[in-house]
Amino acid sequence: EAGVTQFPSHSVIEKGQTVTLRCDPISGHDNLYWYRRVMGKEIKFLLHFVKESKQDESGMPNNRFLAERTGGTYSTLKVQPAELEDSGVYFCASSLPGGASSYNEQFFGPGTRLTVL
Amino acid sequence: GESVGLHLPTLSVQEGDNSIINCAYSNSASDYFIWYKQESGKGPQFIIDIRSNMDKRQGQRVTVLLNKTVKHLSLQIAATQPGDSAVYFCAEHHYGQNFVFGPGTRLSVLP
Repeated sequence: EAGVTQFPSHSVIEKGQTVTLRCDPISGHDNLYWYRRVMGKEIKFLLHFVKESKQDESGMPNNRFLAERTGGTYSTLKVQPAELEDSGVYFCASSLPGGASSYNEQFFGPGTRLTVL
Repeated sequence: GESVGLHLPTLSVQEGDNSIINCAYSNSASDYFIWYKQESGKGPQFIIDIRSNMDKRQGQRVTVLLNKTVKHLSLQIAATQPGDSAVYFCAEHHYGQNFVFGPGTRLSVLP
């Protein structure tokens, strides 16, 4: 069974440009999470989808970040316009149905390394 | 792969020795904890978990200890191997909230 996949693996853009990250969760996993790790710091929660609905987006830094999960399958995270402080590794994770209050294991993708120059 | 932060806490151990990685968590109401291992170029991978009604749990070569009194979690790796070199994260969870991760510790296994 394929794991969580993310595309691209690396992205280098200039400040002010737009970047879209994609996450394909494990098939059948209703829960999809986005996380971010900036250099040397902890992994921080961004948001949580249950199917196509945003369950919790309390971790989204600001309105330059837009996440979607049309059809409840793959998800995209768009940063527009990108700023220098957006650089980091963006992880996606998915888990079986049960929601954040359950203890279903989250399976992480390899991450997208975003560098904003 | 992902570059590791310059200021990431680092633990260096000799191959074959035991490793102990520590984590202080923040929320006394957290009731579930996980240790993740992240190798270069990969996402975090589940190692072992523990619920707040336990103080110790063992897996294969790994043991997690939970001290709720001082909000401390540790991961013990027995007979550390080169393949154990990675960044290790603890994560805490409280009902109704999402996981909160610690800053990570880099484990380097010396030959």
